[in-house]
Amino acid sequence: RKEVEQDPGPFNVPEGATVAFNCTYSNSASQSFFWYRQDCRKEPKLLMSVYSSGNEDGRFTAQLNRASQYISLLIRDSKLSDSATYLCVVNKGQAGTALIFGKGTTLSVSS
Amino acid sequence: EAGVVQSPRYKIIEKKQPVAFWCNPISGHNTLYWYRQNLGQGPELLIRYENEEAVDDSQLPKDRFSAERLKGVDSTLKIQPAELGDSAVYLCASSPGTGGFYGEKLFFGSGTQLSVL
Repeated sequence: RKEVEQDPGPFNVPEGATVAFNCTYSNSASQSFFWYRQDCRKEPKLLMSVYSSGNEDGRFTAQLNRASQYISLLIRDSKLSDSATYLCVVNKGQAGTALIFGKGTTLSVSS
Repeated sequence: EAGVVQSPRYKIIEKKQPVAFWCNPISGHNTLYWYRQNLGQGPELLIRYENEEAVDDSQLPKDRFSAERLKGVDSTLKIQPAELGDSAVYLCASSPGTGGFYGEKLFFGSGTQLSVL
């Protein structure tokens, strides 16, 4: 099993749609979880951290299920500018260990 | 404040040639990462430094790859000799250090796109 696995995508949605991305991780000792966004031919940038209680930032909501080792990202009211690749990121184990990236899920929002 | 600076931006070499990439992290950031990203894939960790110490290099192909971070600031990643399969984007990232329970947030450079012919 890969350390971090994501939905293969791509996701093609119209503006205004709600879309959800899923991610699973293999190491139950992992403690740090993030979603990064990567635009075409650009470097990844932090979108949001994922907390145990779940967290929201505007139209974006992240959830963590430790029992299932599952992370999700929900985007509401999709905008054209949301088109990008979304990378699930998990640390290897205990706090302070290296961050491992998933393959990424590509989102394309159309008008 | 300047971000993570990488050079060169692009590099084209023939196979079996050596190549080196340079990274200058954000000032004060103790942790430095090198990742490799192939087209359509997520970044793959090569090596992580805490100051000048390589604390995780398990994914670095040590037969041809080497890295150093002298004085715990700038870092270089070298490939010698390069192979066709090394064509990828090499990303450097830095972080201020362990961010407590919720770990580190990475700041990436623009990357070096390597093409091996």
